Amino acid sequence: GEDVEQSLFLSVREGDSSVINCTYTDSSSTYLYWYKQEPGAGLQLLTYIFSNMDMKQDQRLTVLLNKKDKHLSLRIADTQTGDSAIYFCAEIGKDSSYKLIFGSGTRLLVRP
Amino acid sequence: DTEVTQTPKHLVMGMTNKKSLKCEQHMGHRAMYWYKQKAKKPPELMFVYSYEKLSINESVPSRFSPECPNSSLLNLHLHALQPEDSALYLCASSQATGAHEQYFGPGTRLTVT
Repeated sequence: GEDVEQSLFLSVREGDSSVINCTYTDSSSTYLYWYKQEPGAGLQLLTYIFSNMDMKQDQRLTVLLNKKDKHLSLRIADTQTGDSAIYFCAEIGKDSSYKLIFGSGTRLLVRP
Repeated sequence: DTEVTQTPKHLVMGMTNKKSLKCEQHMGHRAMYWYKQKAKKPPELMFVYSYEKLSINESVPSRFSPECPNSSLLNLHLHALQPEDSALYLCASSQATGAHEQYFGPGTRLTVT
């Protein structure tokens, strides 16, 4: 089946690194995504990783994928107050190329 | 330009009203989506249009009626809604349904009274 799980809340101090974790169950997932949602706003595609990759780095963002454990993480270096938002991981399977399956979202709070 | 626009930003309607939500993109994308997001929950897919044809309806009640008048526009017509339909309605688009990057609009916050 398809199920994506995330921890609900993370609080970090400004300037520290944040690590947001996600587990998924569909081993056929081809792409895995991280979206950011600020209060009252839509979803912003932050980054994604193809299932044959272990790591992807994009400026302050590092995505790690452990296919064996079906574990995805997003590391934000030098976290800023503007990074405070809800972060959703999502997967898309090879059999449902249109349907994003989202996790429950992790609320990141960055303290000054 | 990766912008998807939605109007209105906020909408309050009664249960007997008829209203429409609008979505527009000028990225040349041929797949467009409607999602519903309740408070503190992830988005849930409602409809998918591919090349202006409805390809997926995720068992959405008929009081929600989508329409795709052309490749840039997507509407969601609302009629006889219930208070539990109050939510953030998000539109998204991608190059095609097989293309994986979906870009979201800011959403319409709908309140049904």
